Amino acid sequence: AQRVTQPEKLLSVFKGAPVELKCNYSYSGSPELFWYVQYSRQRLQLLLRHISRESIKGFTADLNKGETSFHLKKPFAQEEDSAMYYCALKMGGSEKLVFGKGTKLTVNP
Amino acid sequence: SAVISQKPSRDICQRGTSLTIQCQVDSQVTMMFWYRQQPGQSLTLIATANQGSEATYESGFVIDKFPISRPNLTFSTLTVSNMSPEDSSIYLCSVAGIYPTDTQYFGPGTRLTVL
Repeated sequence: AQRVTQPEKLLSVFKGAPVELKCNYSYSGSPELFWYVQYSRQRLQLLLRHISRESIKGFTADLNKGETSFHLKKPFAQEEDSAMYYCALKMGGSEKLVFGKGTKLTVNP
Repeated sequence: SAVISQKPSRDICQRGTSLTIQCQVDSQVTMMFWYRQQPGQSLTLIATANQGSEATYESGFVIDKFPISRPNLTFSTLTVSNMSPEDSSIYLCSVAGIYPTDTQYFGPGTRLTVL
């Protein structure tokens, strides 16, 4: 079955430190991976799509099919990055998303 | 992106009653979805709302409990029927089919508490 695993429920770093939020997936087909972010009192919003290979707010994520991972990285964390981050998988031929359980990132001053 | 609104934003309901949640989009979209986010949990897809036909439900969700309507390309409703405290969750609608077409956009959610 399709599954997205985010092993860290909570992650705390200091401002200026590098941050990596882990995401692993299980899917036999060709996946599309996304990172969504939810800031406090705001709605869930798209942060990154692996297809676009873009950097948003300093975050990048590379799809590693060999390791079935899509880790989210930022070299220098900012306090405003504190939020809940969800990794999501879209299966080929479908619009449905399967979400991981999320990682709550706290960036301390 | 699209502007997606949900009504109500929150509600407190009694056991055994039903609540209908509305989702309105400011532009026509191909697909609309309903998700549930139980306390401390991730988002789980309830169903895909199909325009002009019955919704497509995911495993573990049934039409009698979560009837869905989608009369046009900009509006959908989800009803949570015969509620119990276990239905206390945030219910979110999402849409797809707006550029970039492989992206889902989410509404603000409806926080439901069942007493």
